[in-house]
Amino acid sequence: GESVGLHLPTLSVQEGDNSIINCAYSNSASDYFIWYKQESGKGPQFIIDIRSNMDKRQGQRVTVLLNKTVKHLSLQIAATQPGDSAVYFCAENIQGAQKLVFGQGTRLTINP
Amino acid sequence: DAGVTQSPTHLIKTRGQHVTLRCSPISGHKSVSWYQQVLGQGPQFIFQYYEKEERGRGNFPDRFSARQFPNYSSELNVNALLLGDSALYLCASSLGHSNQPQHFGDGTRLSIL
Repeated sequence: GESVGLHLPTLSVQEGDNSIINCAYSNSASDYFIWYKQESGKGPQFIIDIRSNMDKRQGQRVTVLLNKTVKHLSLQIAATQPGDSAVYFCAENIQGAQKLVFGQGTRLTINP
Repeated sequence: DAGVTQSPTHLIKTRGQHVTLRCSPISGHKSVSWYQQVLGQGPQFIFQYYEKEERGRGNFPDRFSARQFPNYSSELNVNALLLGDSALYLCASSLGHSNQPQHFGDGTRLSIL
């Protein structure tokens, strides 16, 4: 089924610490995954993606880990900055379905 | 380079009216997808178009329709508006090939009174 969240989980971290945001996806046929960042009043912004034939991918200050065995995805943000405050969504692309299915989102708050 | 652009940014309608939302994709992108995002939730897939053909449809009623033009821009139409159609409508574009990221515009905020 599709993931629809009614209550947005929150994560508060200290500025400079590392953040880890987790996501459980629903479909074992999903072959491509994306993390998006959404700031208030804006559309989702692409952060990083990973294909199902990989288990780790690194970008600038961000790392995505994929565990297909337990259908789990995580986003690690190094040295969190105030500008990282936003809602973060994982999205899965179900092979052959030509659509993205979004997770419920996590609100990341940075404490000074 | 310009990103995905959507118009209008905000719109207020009343129940029973219809609305047309517009989207221009990133230059070179041939696929456009539409999503509905209600407050506190992730975007929900409505349609995907590629080369002017519908490639995917989400679980939305027939009041929702869309099309893609030869220049790859797209319109989303919603008829007989209901209060529950109030949401942020997002357009995303991509190259259209498998496992390519979709890039989103900032959406149209539709409010139904």
